[in-house]
Amino acid sequence: NAGVTQTPKFQVLKTGQSMTLQCAQDMNHNSMYWYRQDPGMGLRLIYYSASEGTTDKGEVPNGYNVSRLNKREFSLRLESAAPSQTSVYFCASSNSGNTEAFFGQGTRLTVV
Amino acid sequence: SQQGEEDPQALSIQEGENATMNCSYKTSINNLQWYRQNSGRGLVHLILIRSNEREKHSGRLRVTLDTSKKSSSLLITASRAADTASYFCATGSWGANNLFFGTGTRLTVIP
Repeated sequence: NAGVTQTPKFQVLKTGQSMTLQCAQDMNHNSMYWYRQDPGMGLRLIYYSASEGTTDKGEVPNGYNVSRLNKREFSLRLESAAPSQTSVYFCASSNSGNTEAFFGQGTRLTVV
Repeated sequence: SQQGEEDPQALSIQEGENATMNCSYKTSINNLQWYRQNSGRGLVHLILIRSNEREKHSGRLRVTLDTSKKSSSLLITASRAADTASYFCATGSWGANNLFFGTGTRLTVIP
């Protein structure tokens, strides 16, 4: 049972570079989420997707774009990375916002 | 921000003692969930309590919910060193398909 798989696990970017964080779930969940976790800030919602073909902004969407490629996959793109985007990024999925969420192991991103 | 807040931010106890963490939130909710995060790992779901419930148990965990005060508490009884982790509350709202997390409580259980 893979659950939620994120790639890559670690990444270092230079300011201005772009990259895509990949996330896939094998639990047939409708909802998928991207969070960032910073020290002392807890988890903040970047974007979420309630179902295939839909995406919505969360608390901190600026500087990010997302794609719900199909029911399994939800990617997060940084078009022009900034040092303020240095963080640990988590993907999660659930049947809905009213059921338990399953998390990936995280991507530790450093922007220099 | 729609984030909840956990209290205390950090808690250190001896093995065998009980640990209590509190969560306050701002909006009306459909449910409240508690998660655990071991250092460097993803979050793991512990328990979900719905807005029409006041108390729920799961093993050594006891969760209470007071919707009038917009608060919840997580009690871990007879703590173990393996309970050392960060604990987060998360809220789900009516008609929404997202979860908002609190800032977390760092629990250290000393053997």
